[in-house]
Amino acid sequence: DAGITQSPRHKVTETGTPVTLRCHQTENHRYMYWYRQDPGHGLRLIHYSYGVKDTDKGEVSDGYSVSRSKTEDFLLTLESATSSQTSVYFCAISESRLGQGDEKLFFGSGTQLSVL
Amino acid sequence: DAKTTQPTSMDCAEGRAANLPCNHSTISGNEYVYWYRQIHSQGPQYIIHGLKNNETNEMASLIITEDRKSSTLILPHATLRDTAVYYCIVRRYNNNDMRFGAGTRLTVKP
Repeated sequence: DAGITQSPRHKVTETGTPVTLRCHQTENHRYMYWYRQDPGHGLRLIHYSYGVKDTDKGEVSDGYSVSRSKTEDFLLTLESATSSQTSVYFCAISESRLGQGDEKLFFGSGTQLSVL
Repeated sequence: DAKTTQPTSMDCAEGRAANLPCNHSTISGNEYVYWYRQIHSQGPQYIIHGLKNNETNEMASLIITEDRKSSTLILPHATLRDTAVYYCIVRRYNNNDMRFGAGTRLTVKP
């Protein structure tokens, strides 16, 4: 399995509080992604990074920010958590940029976030 | 990206081959077919992908029809641990996202 660690694995928080989820990889892959998974919606891309300090928005980026100060770490921050952000969050990495056509995504084990 | 259609659920007997179909009739020439699976409570796992030719790896085989409008993922000897949701994804060459739909829930039974 790819060396991807997500922390925390589970978190319960209150509406309006800030939350940061961490993704750590040991594969030295350049590209990292944050997805959320909800019943009826499948997996949806929140943000992605194509290098240190280089990030871009995905399909459902509103309410989320990201940072990547080191190759191995990609942080997802909910500045002011809302109940609609209750979800399972997955981090993924890839060696080549999605869009080259021949790339693969490797996923972490996920973080279950509950916003009350 | 082309839309994909998969059966909602399938059953397979342990030890038998599991054949999971996927329809992608609007696929274009530069779109790849990917298969991932997600075992309960885990992150999705890459299985295999292809463009035109059939592909095989240690996990599965991917059979793509000549007109590329459909494909089949084959797990040659299904085990109970293969019980999962299987996603068929068609991606455009220059698209930077991997869109997961509802997938097929495969249940391998003893």
